[in-house]
Amino acid sequence: AQSVTQLDSHVSVSEGTPVLLRCNYSSSYSPSLFWYVQHPNKGLQLLLKYTSAATLVKGINGFEAEFKKSETSFHLTKPSAHMSDAAEYFCVVSDVETYKYIFGTGTRLKVLA
Amino acid sequence: EAGVVQSPRYKIIEKKQPVAFWCNPISGHNTLYWYRQNLGQGPELLIRYENEEAVDDSQLPKDRFSAERLKGVDSTLKIQPAELGDSAVYLCASSLPSGVTDTQYFGPGTRLTVL
Repeated sequence: AQSVTQLDSHVSVSEGTPVLLRCNYSSSYSPSLFWYVQHPNKGLQLLLKYTSAATLVKGINGFEAEFKKSETSFHLTKPSAHMSDAAEYFCVVSDVETYKYIFGTGTRLKVLA
Repeated sequence: EAGVVQSPRYKIIEKKQPVAFWCNPISGHNTLYWYRQNLGQGPELLIRYENEEAVDDSQLPKDRFSAERLKGVDSTLKIQPAELGDSAVYLCASSLPSGVTDTQYFGPGTRLTVL
């Protein structure tokens, strides 16, 4: 069975400092992995997607994630946090047979002025 | 391009009342999903449609929940009767056919409060 574990439920950073949101996955197959962001009272927005083409994936709004098979990780990073980045972030693995999304429990990012 | 549209955005009802949610997917997206997101948790799939066919409804509580997708476009999710534990955000998502891509696009959700 496939699963994802988001290692931090809450992360706080100062504006202008780097962001690191951690995600580990478990999959019997080469996985499709995603990061989504959810702002308050908004739907989920796709940040980026990994599908084995390249291990370093660049997404929107300056975010990127690196797929590390040896560590079964897919951590999300951004060099410099902005106030508008404050939101809930979800790591997702897609089941290769059913195309079902398996969501992590989410990481709430707080950006301090 | 218009995104996934959901209505209403908010709904407050008393327990035992019926409620319905509507979703209009992105044009050309044959696959449609309904999710439930409880407070502080990630979304969980309730049902997945490929065109008009419900291909995965294993997580749908069929005693009180029903869904339909007539004509393979819009979809309606219904709860009857609602219970206190049904308070959650109900998300609709759509994608191109499974096997083409597995990227899903989400609507803004309907926040249901059952009193």
